[in-house]
Amino acid sequence: EAGVTQFPSHSVIEKGQTVTLRCDPISGHDNLYWYRRVMGKEIKFLLHFVKESKQDESGMPNNRFLAERTGGTYSTLKVQPAELEDSGVYFCASSQDLRGGRWETQYFGPGTRLLVL
Amino acid sequence: AQKITQTQPGMFVQEKEAVTLDCTYDTSDPSYGLFWYKQPSSGEMIFLIYQGSYDQQNATEGRYSLNFQKARKSANLVISASQLGDSAMYFCAMREGGNQAGTALIFGKGTTLSVSS
Repeated sequence: EAGVTQFPSHSVIEKGQTVTLRCDPISGHDNLYWYRRVMGKEIKFLLHFVKESKQDESGMPNNRFLAERTGGTYSTLKVQPAELEDSGVYFCASSQDLRGGRWETQYFGPGTRLLVL
Repeated sequence: AQKITQTQPGMFVQEKEAVTLDCTYDTSDPSYGLFWYKQPSSGEMIFLIYQGSYDQQNATEGRYSLNFQKARKSANLVISASQLGDSAMYFCAMREGGNQAGTALIFGKGTTLSVSS
């Protein structure tokens, strides 16, 4: 079974440009999460989808970040316009439906390393 | 206040020895889960082990065990018989809340483990 995949693995852009990150969750996983790790800091939650619906976007830093999950399969995270402080590693994770369970395991992708110059 | 504290930025161990990676947590929620992830140099985040707050026994998964001391709010990861491939960064994480879908993980800053021959 394929794991969570993310594209691109690395992205270097200039301040003010737009970047779109993509995440393909594990097949059949309804829950999809985005996290971010800024250099030297903890990994922080950004948002959570259940299928195509945003359940929690409390971690999104500002309105320059837009996440979508059309059709409830893959998700994209767009940063527009990118700022220097957006540099970091963006992780995507997915998990199965929690119905009947309490402690689902989130499986992470390899991350996208974003550098804004 | 930090919810997850990993006090060891780096740990060194020789092959075949056991090593303990520390993790303390802070929550007032009676229902929570604790997770450990491994991030090798290749970047992917690999789920290792999980412990629920109501679990009576310490979790074990192969060479990994979780030394859960609820009163002390600690959830240390013990790796027995270290191998060179265990060299990686290790993250402790927590989910709070009861039977809620998709609660975000809260991460510590990580501990870098280096295993030498």
